[in-house]
Amino acid sequence: DIQMTQSPSSLSASVADRVTIACRASQSINININWFQQKPGKAPKLLIHAASSLESGVPSRFSGSGSGTDFTLTISSLQPEDFATYYCQQSYTIPYTFGQGTKLEIK
Amino acid sequence: QVQLQVSGPGLVKPSETLSLTCIVSGASIRNYDWSWIRQPPGKGLEWIGYISYSGNTNYNPSLKSRVTTSVDTSKNQISLKLTSVTAADTAVYYCARGSHGPDSWGQGVLVTVSS
Repeated sequence: DIQMTQSPSSLSASVADRVTIACRASQSINININWFQQKPGKAPKLLIHAASSLESGVPSRFSGSGSGTDFTLTISSLQPEDFATYYCQQSYTIPYTFGQGTKLEIK
Repeated sequence: QVQLQVSGPGLVKPSETLSLTCIVSGASIRNYDWSWIRQPPGKGLEWIGYISYSGNTNYNPSLKSRVTTSVDTSKNQISLKLTSVTAADTAVYYCARGSHGPDSWGQGVLVTVSS
């Protein structure tokens, strides 16, 4: 299985900060990576697919980049509603594995 | 707007079969693949597998021997069965639209495996 390793596992930041979450795959996955946001008690929400394609309705402060094994999710200016847990997922080969999650908390 | 509603027993006994149904509204089953994902309490996400409207399936090898999914196009719903459950199968189970990047998710249902 492809291992997806996110860093950091948790992060404290303030409103208006720029935040970057990294995800590394144990082998090349081209650009077959998705990013999800999950708030407590809620289902995950797809933010970005194919490394950098923003889902419809997702604010433009979210962006994704990378290819091969190293990827990043960036939030350019944190808003109060962005405090949540973020997951990456590879959809290159079965099983489609997730990272362990990055919990973004208010400083 | 697509909506997915997962239903099924919230408590299953060890060694028995977990059965869940996901009713889809606002979209036709025929046009998409449909995924199942689970999340143990307080933990991360685990991909279970997906099924196409035509019934083609792909499962996580770690669960493959125990998982079955099916599609009922007449009812616009998909189903999940997981046999021989143990406490390790306790989780919130989600259904979602799409396979390579599920873009719409149901609310999830907590299934607890306990005697």
